[in-house]
Amino acid sequence: DVKVTQSSRYLVKRTGEKVFLECVQDMDHENMFWYRQDPGLGLRLIYFSYDVKMKEKGDIPEGYSVSREKKERFSLILESASTNQTSMYLCASSSAGVAYEQYFGPGTRLTVT
Amino acid sequence: KQEVTQIPAALSVPEGENLVLNCSFTDSAIYNLQWFRQDPGKGLTSLLLIQSSQREQTSGRLNASLDKSSGRSTLYIAASQPGDSATYLCAVRPRKGSGSRLTFGEGTQLTVNP
Repeated sequence: DVKVTQSSRYLVKRTGEKVFLECVQDMDHENMFWYRQDPGLGLRLIYFSYDVKMKEKGDIPEGYSVSREKKERFSLILESASTNQTSMYLCASSSAGVAYEQYFGPGTRLTVT
Repeated sequence: KQEVTQIPAALSVPEGENLVLNCSFTDSAIYNLQWFRQDPGKGLTSLLLIQSSQREQTSGRLNASLDKSSGRSTLYIAASQPGDSATYLCAVRPRKGSGSRLTFGEGTQLTVNP
């Protein structure tokens, strides 16, 4: 069975903290993605990675960075968390190429106070 | 820029009804279209993937169609059940730009009443 896991379901952090969100997939997928989902704005792509150590900016990369040191793990980093980064964060993965489905993790609800 | 629209934003039906959810997109140059289901506070579950060369895909009580030339897809749910209550999102994979990314609609929130 396809499995994408995220390190936390709920997270509360303070403004200015450095925050790490972890995502792991067990399907040997080349592509991994980080989205955020906000009411009225839908899902927006932050970053994606098509191979180990490779990354590409999505639509809203400002304030975020990513790391992919191993194929199965993709980390999203908030360098200095701000209240406008309070959101639901969703990780996804897919096989290389354009013909394949994206599979999503359960999401992390991040609150920055 | 590709835009995806889902109408209606919310739908409430009695149990047992057959229903259709709509998805439209502005640029027909797509690789494929994917339908997802999202329960409150949860991640997305993939329901169906239709390649641009296909007209429809079926899985159980779900049938998705694609008319690429008119920029439309529909998700048909037969004999709806309360457990079908969720938000349904469609997403297209555009040919322009990076081929792996998806563009999402904002979803239709479905409530099936017992």
